[in-house]
Amino acid sequence: GAVVSQHPSRVICKSGTSVKIECRSLDFQATTMFWYRQFPKQSLMLMATSNEGSKATYEQGVEKDKFLINHASLTLSTLTVTSAHPEDSSFYICSAMPGREETQYFGPGTRLLVL
Amino acid sequence: SQKIEQNSEALNIQEGKTATLTCNYTNYSPAYLQWYRQDPGRGPVFLLLIRENEKEKRKERLKVTFDTTLKQSLFHITASQPADSATYLCALAVNQAGTALIFGKGTTLSVSS
Repeated sequence: GAVVSQHPSRVICKSGTSVKIECRSLDFQATTMFWYRQFPKQSLMLMATSNEGSKATYEQGVEKDKFLINHASLTLSTLTVTSAHPEDSSFYICSAMPGREETQYFGPGTRLLVL
Repeated sequence: SQKIEQNSEALNIQEGKTATLTCNYTNYSPAYLQWYRQDPGRGPVFLLLIRENEKEKRKERLKVTFDTTLKQSLFHITASQPADSATYLCALAVNQAGTALIFGKGTTLSVSS
């Protein structure tokens, strides 16, 4: 149980384009989903917390107009990196929490490379 | 300042030995602490959760201790196997709901046969 999927697993795009990453909880409903970013040999850094049906809460230093988050249903959250630049290249990982648990379950991650 | 440190970036041990990984933190009062395993190019996989009022937690070959006085957690893998080779992350839950996790950089464990 508690499986989270992400799509795509890897994406390469040109600078200036937008990229959408999907995060799905496959066998549970998640009122809260999270988006993290991880640079090589660094810790996971929380970017934003999204609650179904409401606006996402962004961490300090994360541009909400650049990283658009939509949590339209209890099983799906999307992260759109708008006008991507090479410095946005990173490993993006989502997680989701089943309603009554204190544990976050993570997706497999999406490797983004912006050329 | 607030810090979470996993003291060793890398740990190499022989198969069958016990691996001990350390997580120290300063200026946090975590509600609980979690350990995750992360394989290269993959998302973290949850292993164990230990609360502030628990001293020790076990799951199969894994054992976690939590000392809130020392502000330290130890993660042990007994009878280690090459398949245990991975990066292990500790994460502090700084609120009761678990919605605010602070991660360490991880310790990469290599178990040689």
